[in-house]
Amino acid sequence: GAVVSQHPSWVICKSGTSVKIECRSLDFQATTMFWYRQFPKQSLMLMATSNEGSKATYEQGVEKDKFLINHASLTLSTLTVTSAHPEDSSFYICSALPAAGGFSGANVLTFGAGSRLTVL
Amino acid sequence: DAKTTQPTSMDCAEGRAANLPCNHSTISGNEYVYWYRQIHSQGPQYIIHGLKNNETNEMASLIITEDRKSSTLILPHATLRDTAVYYCIVRADSWGKLQFGAGTQVVVTP
Repeated sequence: GAVVSQHPSWVICKSGTSVKIECRSLDFQATTMFWYRQFPKQSLMLMATSNEGSKATYEQGVEKDKFLINHASLTLSTLTVTSAHPEDSSFYICSALPAAGGFSGANVLTFGAGSRLTVL
Repeated sequence: DAKTTQPTSMDCAEGRAANLPCNHSTISGNEYVYWYRQIHSQGPQYIIHGLKNNETNEMASLIITEDRKSSTLILPHATLRDTAVYYCIVRADSWGKLQFGAGTQVVVTP
């Protein structure tokens, strides 16, 4: 089945530094990937839609200059948390939509295992 | 996308069937019903999806009412490893993104 890999699984950084999280579709091409954030005991919140070769589309209230998204190839999207602060500590999860199925409602999204960010 | 309503929590005995309800009374004709689950500190895992007909796979069965305003996910023989938060989501055709609600916390007990 479809596999999505995230790296790193967890990262600890100092306040003010930037952190990059990678999301890779291992056995399929994905023109569209989605980034979510999840705080403890809360549900997943969609942050942005990442489209290969074009600018990401951010959900309302998500700072695009804070969360930089790059989707440079059909198998890789990256999320960079710039100038991270303790309030950015969260569980970041990506998902990928197989290109072969297009935007059909029957095309299943596969999620990565998540990346836990702790900012000290 | 249509919103969904699920119970906050459910308990289930190991080995018994778990029936998880979901209401989606404002669902549109082109919206699919999806079920995912999230085990603690992991990414969501796809379970099953359907449009109009009932569906079954190796993990679960999905029963959708004729008017499509509600559905039930059935885990036929719950195990301890099925303890997770289960999310029912409706997703429009022609659009990929999923918006997650609060889900149902299912606890399977011995």
